[in-house]
Amino acid sequence: RKEVEQDPGPFNVPEGATVAFNCTYSNSASQSFFWYRQDCRKEPKLLMSVYSSGNEDGRFTAQLNRASQYISLLIRDSKLSDSATYLCVVNAYSRNSGNTPLVFGKGTRLSVIA
Amino acid sequence: GAGVSQSPSNKVTEKGKDVELRCDPISGHTALYWYRQSLGQGLEFLIYFQGNSAPDKSGLPSDRFSAERTGGSVSTLTIQRTQQEDSAVYLCASSLVGQGSAGGRSYEQYFGPGTRLTVT
Repeated sequence: RKEVEQDPGPFNVPEGATVAFNCTYSNSASQSFFWYRQDCRKEPKLLMSVYSSGNEDGRFTAQLNRASQYISLLIRDSKLSDSATYLCVVNAYSRNSGNTPLVFGKGTRLSVIA
Repeated sequence: GAGVSQSPSNKVTEKGKDVELRCDPISGHTALYWYRQSLGQGLEFLIYFQGNSAPDKSGLPSDRFSAERTGGSVSTLTIQRTQQEDSAVYLCASSLVGQGSAGGRSYEQYFGPGTRLTVT
């Protein structure tokens, strides 16, 4: 199983739709989870951290399911400006070394259509 | 406040030449990371600095690649004898605290705009 797996998409959705992405991770010891957004030919930008209790920021909701080792991102009322690639990011915590490198998924492409 | 800055934004070089890429992290961030991203591909980790030392160089693809960080701030990534397969966007990121410093948790990384390297 890859460390972080995402459906590459593309997800093509109309404006106003609700869309959800899932991401699975292999390291059960992982403790930090993030969603980043990357626009075409731009750098990744932090969208939101994902907390155990789940968290919401406006139209965006992130959830963590530790038992099944996946995180999700829900976007409500999609806007044209939401078109981007969404990167799932998980830390590959090693209890032996104490290291906590971040592992970036390859991303899911979202295209919101008028 | 100022974010991560990188220079140059674009670099075109001939095969076989050396190049130096620069990264200026967010002030106060102790950890610095280099990644590269080829067109349409995911991020490839290159090297991680904690302060001026590099505890993880595992992603450097060959001994033509090296990096240093001085004064706990600016970092340079050097590629010697560039090859066409080195063409990519080189991204730098910084975070407040480095790996292994937060009890198993990780701090967010903030990225610079990248340097687009083209080797002809």
